[in-house]
Amino acid sequence: GNSVTQMEGPVTLSEEAFLTINCTYTATGYPSLFWYVQYPGEGLQLLLKATKADDKGSNKGFEATYRKETTSFHLEKGSVQVSDSAVYFCALSDREGGSYIPTFGRGTSLIVHP
Amino acid sequence: DVKVTQSSRYLVKRTGEKVFLECVQDMDHENMFWYRQDPGLGLRLIYFSYDVKMKEKGDIPEGYSVSREKKERFSLILESASTNQTSMYLCASSSPPPRQGRGAKNIQYFGAGTRLSVL
Repeated sequence: GNSVTQMEGPVTLSEEAFLTINCTYTATGYPSLFWYVQYPGEGLQLLLKATKADDKGSNKGFEATYRKETTSFHLEKGSVQVSDSAVYFCALSDREGGSYIPTFGRGTSLIVHP
Repeated sequence: DVKVTQSSRYLVKRTGEKVFLECVQDMDHENMFWYRQDPGLGLRLIYFSYDVKMKEKGDIPEGYSVSREKKERFSLILESASTNQTSMYLCASSSPPPRQGRGAKNIQYFGAGTRLSVL
């Protein structure tokens, strides 16, 4: 079956530091890949996505590249802000068994200090 | 903007009570989902629905049931609440239908969540 593994947190950084959150996946088909973000007290919302190998998703300064050869989709940001403090979820969507039920990682908490 | 609305942000119930969690979406999405979110465990799928009156079990359906009488509304029911059902519950919706389109369109839109405490 499908699975998503992401680094455990919390990740604690100072403002303007470089961020990487690792995500690797296993899938039976050719999945689409997503990063969702959950701000405190809110539900998840889509941050970025990529649908095929070597695609780069980007939004709000965050980027992730679909690497089929390493089955990875690492999230990066060059300079984090306090407002980026949130929980980040890597996810995939694949037509396994005729459905598009997404598979989520367990989430990585990011804490950014001023 | 897509809006997924969960009826309550916080609920406190007693063991043995029947609990209803309501979710409404305004984007005519075919697919709706209920998850629970627990620290260290991420999101776990309870039930999902691809159409009105249609439901399928997710990974942890025990102790839960669902109802989808109208396309925009998906209800989660705890028949007899227990303390181990204390959790954050998240509803989500998505489009298009599962057997059409590309996976990239299968973006999930989430409600703000209901934090349920069972005492």
